[in-house]
Amino acid sequence: EDQVTQSPEALRLQEGESSSLNCSYTVSGLRGLFWYRQDPGKGPEFLFTLYSAGEEKEKERLKATLTKKESFLHITAPKPEDSATYLCAVCGNNAGNMLTFGGGTRLMVKP
Amino acid sequence: EAQVTQNPRYLITVTGKKLTVTCSQNMNHEYMSWYRQDPGLGLRQIYYSMNVEVTDKGDVPEGYKVSRKEKRNFPLILESPSPNQTSLYFCASSLYGSGTEAFFGQGTRLTVV
Repeated sequence: EDQVTQSPEALRLQEGESSSLNCSYTVSGLRGLFWYRQDPGKGPEFLFTLYSAGEEKEKERLKATLTKKESFLHITAPKPEDSATYLCAVCGNNAGNMLTFGGGTRLMVKP
Repeated sequence: EAQVTQNPRYLITVTGKKLTVTCSQNMNHEYMSWYRQDPGLGLRQIYYSMNVEVTDKGDVPEGYKVSRKEKRNFPLILESPSPNQTSLYFCASSLYGSGTEAFFGQGTRLTVV
């Protein structure tokens, strides 16, 4: 059974204070690891897909990295508009076509 | 505009009264799925569909039904809703299976009293 654990559950940053969110996973053959952003009352919005260890992807102030056991979402010089819940999800070879989500990290960036 | 549309956005109903939440996508995606999101439990997959007439159970299928008669539509049916099905529901679609980027609808907040 695929498992995803995200930490911390909540993170408060000052504007400009860089940090990282962690996503630890166990999966039987990784087909893809996904990062999503979710704003209150809205559906998750796709950010990145990572497929193999060592892969990195960037978008504005966000950078996602992947190892064989975990993924990090690095946030450089965050702004208040980066405040949201960030979700990590995995799809494994033995999961059929199911997607397993972690509990999310609620990020609050104060001006 | 590429989108996944769910209706209704909000619904309050009584125990045992059958209801359907509709989901439609305009991106010609093969894969569609339903999730529920509960505080402390995160997003959990209810059912998914790889293509027309092909559906499979997710993590929490009990009490739900789905159908995929057309590629664009994937309704979620609660035959006899119970209070423990009070939740925030999301429909999602992706081009090929769950290994590709998913687009989510805006959500349906369901309350069963």
